[in-house]
Amino acid sequence: NAGVMQNPRHLVRRRGQEARLRCSPVKGHSHVYWYRQLPEEGLKFMVYLQKENIIDESGMPKERFSAEFPKEGPSILRIQQVVRGDSAAYFCASSNDRGRGNTEAFFGQGTRLTVV
Amino acid sequence: AQTVTQSQPEMSVQEAETVTLSCTYDTSESNYYLFWYKQPPSRQMILVIRQEAYKQQNATENRFSVNFQKAAKSFSLKISDSQLGDTAMYFCAFMKQRATGKLIFGQGTTLQVKP
Repeated sequence: NAGVMQNPRHLVRRRGQEARLRCSPVKGHSHVYWYRQLPEEGLKFMVYLQKENIIDESGMPKERFSAEFPKEGPSILRIQQVVRGDSAAYFCASSNDRGRGNTEAFFGQGTRLTVV
Repeated sequence: AQTVTQSQPEMSVQEAETVTLSCTYDTSESNYYLFWYKQPPSRQMILVIRQEAYKQQNATENRFSVNFQKAAKSFSLKISDSQLGDTAMYFCAFMKQRATGKLIFGQGTTLQVKP
């Protein structure tokens, strides 16, 4: 029973490059959430996706950041033209539904992005 | 908008003793959920305990228990018989009803358990 799998665990990019972070949810889960954790801070919600749809992107920066969750394959968080301020740990979580009885989302181990 | 505040950036406790981590929150919702997560150096987010706001009884999970004061909007975590493996960052989190996955986290408290 694999949990949420994120890769890579560590990613180093030079300023101006693109970063692609991957998240494979728990098998059977169709809801994916991305969070960002800056050093010494709590996780901040970025975006919520359900297969092929962005449901809530209220926490996403307006520029350079995008996310997708295709019908087949992992969810991808893409950061274009990275800057030093993008250095953070990015976490993915998944759940099987959002109904009244379900309250838990399962987290991956995160991807630590370092921009040099 | 909801906010979660953890006012203790760092705490320490001797092994086998009891420690309490504080958390306050602000919301206008009447039904919601509160969580404590543990983040060890591995970075894995581990759910420690959860509390439904409509339940008056405080949640308990082995050595972990909460003191939920809904009127005061307070949600503290008590760790009894502290173990070295409890050393980690602890985050308090709020979630609106039927908003699974969209959590609002506090800033975290670093807990050091000393031998």
